[in-house]
Amino acid sequence: NAGVMQNPRHLVRRRGQEARLRCSPMKGHSHVYWYRQLPEEGLKFMVYLQKENIIDESGMPKERFSAEFPKEGPSILRIQQVVRGDSAAYFCASSQEGSTGELFFGEGSRLTVL
Amino acid sequence: AQSVSQHNHHVILSEAASLELGCNYSYGGTVNLFWYVQYPGQHLQLLLKYFSGDPLVKGIKGFEAEFIKSKFSFNLRKPSVQWSDTAEYFCAVQYSGAGSYQLTFGKGTKLSVIP
Repeated sequence: NAGVMQNPRHLVRRRGQEARLRCSPMKGHSHVYWYRQLPEEGLKFMVYLQKENIIDESGMPKERFSAEFPKEGPSILRIQQVVRGDSAAYFCASSQEGSTGELFFGEGSRLTVL
Repeated sequence: AQSVSQHNHHVILSEAASLELGCNYSYGGTVNLFWYVQYPGQHLQLLLKYFSGDPLVKGIKGFEAEFIKSKFSFNLRKPSVQWSDTAEYFCAVQYSGAGSYQLTFGKGTKLSVIP
């Protein structure tokens, strides 16, 4: 995997702070997905983006969470005013096509909210 | 709601033992099926996938999975595990229709292989 790059790998925030997680897709991939893994749970879909477009954000909490994938630069998942329940591993994946399901994952960003 | 069940939370095997990890999914029409593996400290990697055709699918590292449509199952197998197979294994399903790019994951099965 020549790599989906995520950073930071670990992030610690206090309640009320903002968390920003970044994801650079594999070279040549224009489809980006964010998944969240809560403790003892499987990965849950959050949002699907293409360059400058949010295609599906049906898995995103209605408040405090936002995502973008600008024309230049990485995709960013932003969590405002974090709460303890936001503590999780956030995985980014990318694909060449939007519907084949062949996703290539990053190593994840582990958010801990104190 | 669409869901994926993995029967075992944690499996412990000795080297050379045979492995079978169960995966069942809720009915939802046409599906694509996947097994991903996450080795300690690493990213999720695709082990194998089924889209259509022969229901017995061979993947990397000697793994295979069988799609049994009537049972809504896609169990993962390996005849003889190695210590290096210690990892967490996730079954995932892609349902057809609206939102078909989404993968629905099971909760994962941790496999520990004892030398």
